Amino acid sequence: EVQLVESGGGVVWPGGSLRLACAASGLSFEDYGMSWVRQAPGKGLEWVSGINWSGSRVGYADSVKGRFTVSRDNAKNFLYLHMNSLRVEDAALYYCVRGYDDYWPLDKWGQGTLVTVSS
Amino acid sequence: EVVLTQSPGTLSLSPGDRATLSCRASQSVDSNYLAWFQHKPGQAPRLLIYGASNTATAFPDRFSGSGSGTDFTLTISRLEPEDFAVYYCHHYGSSPQIPFGQGTRLEIK
Repeated sequence: EVQLVESGGGVVWPGGSLRLACAASGLSFEDYGMSWVRQAPGKGLEWVSGINWSGSRVGYADSVKGRFTVSRDNAKNFLYLHMNSLRVEDAALYYCVRGYDDYWPLDKWGQGTLVTVSS
Repeated sequence: EVVLTQSPGTLSLSPGDRATLSCRASQSVDSNYLAWFQHKPGQAPRLLIYGASNTATAFPDRFSGSGSGTDFTLTISRLEPEDFAVYYCHHYGSSPQIPFGQGTRLEIK
């Protein structure tokens, strides 16, 4: 069974930084692109970032470009999202999701980790 | 970048009704890479439809998807109480960005 378990969420001041992690199991992690998707309170789903299987191709939503960096460690089966210069509007539940750049639908989702940005 | 626009924003129907949800793309997209998700409060979203018309195995056949080019439709033939949720369309073949539509809330009338 595929399992994606996010961690690293928490409360941070505006302008602060946070690193999210996603531990993947039950799949050949190195075979799949991966994405981060978020949902802010009362808002819809927003695709945030993606990385292909090897890490050679990445993508970002315009709202986070230049502030967030996605990476992966295929040896450890981990996906990461480094978030800098956090804004109040970045507060959301962040999901780790299987799929990106491989024409694979976003078919497996973690339960999410909550990021709160507040002074 | 493709922009997906869903309509209506909210759909109020009764159990047993037929639901038709629309997703329009700002430019023609390959229907092989159009998906729909169901999202309920407190749960992770679930992949419902992929390739525009393929229903995920976890869902019954009252759910169906159709469309091509710029216009796609999710149809629920006879609504059950558990179908009331928010539904999102998504185009997953157009990296570097793969945006969602803004969602349609299906609520009980």
